[in-house]
Amino acid sequence: QVQLVESGGGLVKPGGSLRLSCAASGFTFSDYYMSWIRQAPGKGLDWVSYISSSSSYTYYADSVKGRFTISRDNAKNSLYLQMNSLRAEDTAVYYCARSSTLRAHYDYWGQGTLVTVSS
Amino acid sequence: DIQMTQSPSSLSASVGDRVTITCRASQSVSSYLHWYQQMPGKAPKLLIYGASSLQSGVPSRFSGSGSGTDFTLTINSLQPEDFATYYCQQSYSAPYTFGQGTKLEIK
Repeated sequence: QVQLVESGGGLVKPGGSLRLSCAASGFTFSDYYMSWIRQAPGKGLDWVSYISSSSSYTYYADSVKGRFTISRDNAKNSLYLQMNSLRAEDTAVYYCARSSTLRAHYDYWGQGTLVTVSS
Repeated sequence: DIQMTQSPSSLSASVGDRVTITCRASQSVSSYLHWYQQMPGKAPKLLIYGASSLQSGVPSRFSGSGSGTDFTLTINSLQPEDFATYYCQQSYSAPYTFGQGTKLEIK
């Protein structure tokens, strides 16, 4: 069965860095686009970034552009989000999700990992 | 960026009711509109994709319609497990924005 398992969340000070991982199983990871979506406590869903199946294309929300970097390792069936220059407003649960193509819906989501940015 | 606006933001209904949630895009998204259900503390779950296609395993009481800028999610004969928050999302143009959510509560 399809599984997406995020890890790497935690407490970090403003200006700090964190690297999130998403381990995929149960499907051919290299066939899918992958994305990160976040949700601040008590708030709605906020789209963050996507990466194409072969890493050729990436896209970022303006709010994280220049600070976050999405990447993947198809040999390891893993997706990553390197987060630098973290701000209090980056505090959220971060979900990874898969889509079959560039404009497709997200049919599977991970359980999320909590990132807290606080001094 | 395409702005997605859902209405209402919250809704009270009873088991057995029929409810409709609307989602409006600030510009056309064709049929690249999807609906998700989120239970408290859980990841979102895909209900409807492509505006009107029912995701496998989702009960047929859920349906979606619309194209362009105006979309609806309808739930017929509400069940206790349907009380949750619902989000629309467009995937026509990145960033793939979400609506602000509609919280469906038990009356």
